[in-house]
Amino acid sequence: DGGITQSPKYLFRKEGQNVTLSCEQNLNHDAMYWYRQDPGQGLRLIYYSQIVNDFQKGDIAEGYSVSREKKESFPLTVTSAQKNPTAFYLCASNPGQGHSNQPQHFGDGTRLSIL
Amino acid sequence: QKEVEQNSGPLSVPEGAIASLNCTYSDRGSQSFFWYRQYSGKSPELIMFIYSNGDKEDGRFTAQLNKASQYVSLLIRDSQPSDSATYLCAVKGMYSSASKIIFGSGTRLSIRP
Repeated sequence: DGGITQSPKYLFRKEGQNVTLSCEQNLNHDAMYWYRQDPGQGLRLIYYSQIVNDFQKGDIAEGYSVSREKKESFPLTVTSAQKNPTAFYLCASNPGQGHSNQPQHFGDGTRLSIL
Repeated sequence: QKEVEQNSGPLSVPEGAIASLNCTYSDRGSQSFFWYRQYSGKSPELIMFIYSNGDKEDGRFTAQLNKASQYVSLLIRDSQPSDSATYLCAVKGMYSSASKIIFGSGTRLSIRP
């Protein structure tokens, strides 16, 4: 079955620690996205990538970093500079340029909390 | 002004009635419009998308788009308790980058038995 896999489902971060959230897709999609969702809020875009080895900052990129070394993988690192990381993190993908009207599909999410 | 606006609710509808969810957007050149359903603690799942003015029906769901008035709505007929969720409106604007989609904050829908 094609889909988007996020891991882990739950993650705890200590003060001063960097943590990495995994996102893998086997849909052969070019475009991938990371969103943050706070309780009772909508989705805010952190980073997105339209093609391998390229990515752009979204609306709330400070304190986060990403890489896109492989088409199927788009990991997100929450750095110690992100002072309020507790949130629900969602990874999404869509076919990308040339199919820009296509909807995004989401993984199951990672819930990050501070210890 | 937010790019995509939704009433946060909660919207309470009796079982079997029609639920009407509305969304307005600011980018007049927007091209694609999506409705997602999100259950508490889960990720959003796509319900419908619409690109052209008018109505699009899929089972109990109807999406309505009016580009002149810059609004898109979702109607849910014969509402069921399982429809209780937050509904997110998402819009791809004309001036956003190739694949970027803007999400509203969502409307919480509650179907009362």
